[in-house]
Amino acid sequence: AQTVTQSQPEMSVQEAETVTLSCTYDTSESDYYLFWYKQPPSRQMILVIRQEAYKQQNATENRFSVNFQKAAKSFSLKISDSQLGDAAMYFCAYRSNTGTASKLTFGTGTRLQVTL
Amino acid sequence: EPEVTQTPSHQVTQMGQEVILRCVPISNHLYFYWYRQILGQKVEFLVSFYNNEISEKSEIFDDQFSVERPDGSNFTLKIRSTKLEDSAMYFCASKIYNEQFFGPGTRLTVL
Repeated sequence: AQTVTQSQPEMSVQEAETVTLSCTYDTSESDYYLFWYKQPPSRQMILVIRQEAYKQQNATENRFSVNFQKAAKSFSLKISDSQLGDAAMYFCAYRSNTGTASKLTFGTGTRLQVTL
Repeated sequence: EPEVTQTPSHQVTQMGQEVILRCVPISNHLYFYWYRQILGQKVEFLVSFYNNEISEKSEIFDDQFSVERPDGSNFTLKIRSTKLEDSAMYFCASKIYNEQFFGPGTRLTVL
């Protein structure tokens, strides 16, 4: 079974600074997707960024980018120019590309605080 | 922009009672999911549904749980006899290609 590990329960960053959230995963598969979801206090799950394992290029969405190291099974999220609205729980998630209805497997989350 | 909706936003029930949580997925989506999140914990998969049948379920999804797509739009999760430990946030999600879109969740409180 696949597992996702987020070793940082909490992180803090100053506004306008850069922060990196860590995620590692374990799988024997070669074809899969990785995601970062943001969960603000409203508890809505919002997709931040997606990475397809067969793509070597790291995904980027505006101020959010990932460092995907397939051999090391590492998938970190970098947030640049942090804003107060970035404060939330961030969950890393894995989805197999085997079978079309594959579930998401989540990590335990990292709570990000953004300070002035 | 189309979105997944869930009702109610908050449900309070007595232990042993049946509850039905409702979801309206995005209209052209084909795959449907339920997840739950106990307060302070990670999001856990419950069940996936495709082509009017369950495609996968977790060990959490025991005989007390059932899902249904009673018409072309709704997707429901029924808990037959609620327990205290069923108190959690329940998220519905739907998918057509690669990305699962989540609803805002239903907070279930079992007293």
